Amino acid sequence: GAGVSQSPSNKVTEKGKDVELRCDPISGHTALYWYRQRLGQGLEFLIYFQGNSAPDKSGLPSDRFSAERTGESVSTLTIQRTQQEDSAVYLCASSLFYTQYFGPGTRLTVL
Amino acid sequence: KQEVTQIPAALSVPEGENLVLNCSFTDSAIYNLQWFRQDPGKGLTSLLLIQSSQREQTSGRLNASLDKSSGRSTLYIAASQPGDSATYLCAVLSSGAGSYQLTFGKGTKLSVIP
Repeated sequence: GAGVSQSPSNKVTEKGKDVELRCDPISGHTALYWYRQRLGQGLEFLIYFQGNSAPDKSGLPSDRFSAERTGESVSTLTIQRTQQEDSAVYLCASSLFYTQYFGPGTRLTVL
Repeated sequence: KQEVTQIPAALSVPEGENLVLNCSFTDSAIYNLQWFRQDPGKGLTSLLLIQSSQREQTSGRLNASLDKSSGRSTLYIAASQPGDSATYLCAVLSSGAGSYQLTFGKGTKLSVIP
């Protein structure tokens, strides 16, 4: 069956611009996660959605970052006024129970 | 705050060798531990998941062990092949701020030389 998909696969933007990253989870998965992987660093948890519960935003690095999820489907991660330190691979994962299934990621480069 | 450390950061071995990757974590209050494989341009692939009550899991040439009390896990790869070349990530699932969070190590980059 279809796995987690993310778009775009690559995004190059100029400092100060806003970007939107999209994640399509596996159908039926109630939980959705966003992670960030900066060069040479481990994956950092950003935000977690579970059903209709309030999201866990404890990993968002600043108020420039926000995310939305429509029901148990698509999620969008928005970064406003991008900075060079936002350059990273942004990974999305979904799960039904404990095992998380990851998408291929979006590579964001901020010039 | 949970921290995960992986040693070594990089490893190069000749084809056919057996090898061990190490992972340690600071907080033993975990639900499970996972080993992932990451290939360039592709997402993470889950290799093995060990529940906190288990000691080890096996899949083909891979064997992962867990010693929760000491905060350690090892991934054993038998008879390595060039196709095993990838970055291997260890992650622990803990409870944080009311949600289940995976905390990742920085990974071990494995190169298997034909």
